[in-house]
Amino acid sequence: DTGVSQDPRHKITKRGQNVTFRCDPISEHNRLYWYRQTLGQGPEFLTYFQNEAQLEKSRLLSDRFSAERPKGSFSTLEIQRTEQGDSAMYLCASSPGERSTGELFFGEGSRLTVL
Amino acid sequence: GEDVEQSLFLSVREGDSSVINCTYTDSSSTYLYWYKQEPGAGLQLLTYIFSNMDMKQDQRLTVLLNKKDKHLSLRIADTQTGDSAIYFCAERPSKIIFGSGTRLSIRP
Repeated sequence: DTGVSQDPRHKITKRGQNVTFRCDPISEHNRLYWYRQTLGQGPEFLTYFQNEAQLEKSRLLSDRFSAERPKGSFSTLEIQRTEQGDSAMYLCASSPGERSTGELFFGEGSRLTVL
Repeated sequence: GEDVEQSLFLSVREGDSSVINCTYTDSSSTYLYWYKQEPGAGLQLLTYIFSNMDMKQDQRLTVLLNKKDKHLSLRIADTQTGDSAIYFCAERPSKIIFGSGTRLSIRP
């Protein structure tokens, strides 16, 4: 297993367009997280899944953001009608689950630039 | 609420000890973590401490936890240039909440 992979690594889009990011976690991990990181800030929690169930979604997340993990393996994060303020690095992480130490294994991120 | 705070910058001389401090708010956190992010790289777990521990030592790293004050610190002994990075404190009540990070720079 090569770790957490994210695709695409970079995305440039015009304001108002929709974008979708994909995350493939480490295969035996049942928890999957999405974070957003902007320059000079720590990762900001967006949402997380236990298998296919979305357990929590940040109150900061507008209705334009939606995430899915339909079969409990890979996950997608979609942003509709993008705004310039959505420009950030979107990080995916996975972990073995609730009974573990909670260590997160991060992917290298998907950088979004909204023009 | 859930919030993690840490100072933004720390500069130390090579060979000295570095101490990075963090305060958190959620007393139900079961684990507390230190992650390291090097330039252009993803975050990696450096060390963690379980909430019923006061101290954890791992080679050059010492983590101190004061649950009463909700204060966590990371001490790096004999700081080297390879330790230059951003260090994030994180707590885990349920999901994992990160601080804004402390940028550690090393002076020759």
